[in-house]
Amino acid sequence: KQEVTQIPAALSVPEGENLVLNCSFTDSAIYNLQWFRQDPGKGLTSLLLIQSSQREQTSGRLNASLDKSSGRSTLYIAASQPGDSATYLCAVLPQGGSEKLVFGKGTKLTVNP
Amino acid sequence: EAEVAQSPRYKITEKSQAVAFWCDPISGHATLYWYRQILGQGPELLVQFQDESVVDDSQLPKDRFSAERLKGVDSTLKIQPAELGDSAMYLCASSFAGTSGSMGQFFGPGTRLTVL
Repeated sequence: KQEVTQIPAALSVPEGENLVLNCSFTDSAIYNLQWFRQDPGKGLTSLLLIQSSQREQTSGRLNASLDKSSGRSTLYIAASQPGDSATYLCAVLPQGGSEKLVFGKGTKLTVNP
Repeated sequence: EAEVAQSPRYKITEKSQAVAFWCDPISGHATLYWYRQILGQGPELLVQFQDESVVDDSQLPKDRFSAERLKGVDSTLKIQPAELGDSAMYLCASSFAGTSGSMGQFFGPGTRLTVL
């Protein structure tokens, strides 16, 4: 059974700092990995999608990497801003069966002005 | 930009009452998902539709939950009767039916359900 773990559960940093969020998964048989942002009481906003054949994806100040063989992904946020404060969720789409995303519990990020 | 629509955004109900949530996926997306998210946890799939057919409802509590997508477009999730443990965020997502998951899943704003 695929399991996704995100460490740390919470992170607090000063504005301007570069930071890395970690995601690990137990089964490397995945189609893709998706990073989401969730603001309190809101839905999920897709940030980056990495296909299993890819190593990284970039969007603005965000860069996500994928090492499928080791079951790890990182989300790098450059020059963090208070507006980046949110919970970041990692999800994998396992191969086989239905197209059911398996989520981690998220990392709650607070960027202090 | 195309978005997944959900209503209502918030719902407060008493236990044993019936509640219903509505979702309209992104136009052209054949696959629709209902997820439930308990506070502090990641979302978990309740039911997946491909057009109007159920693909996976293995985690749907069928004694009280039902879901339909009659015309293969919008969908309704119903709970009857609601229980205290049903308090959660109910999220709808959609994806384009191509190579499995190649386009990713896109989520709506969710419905926050509180059962008193």
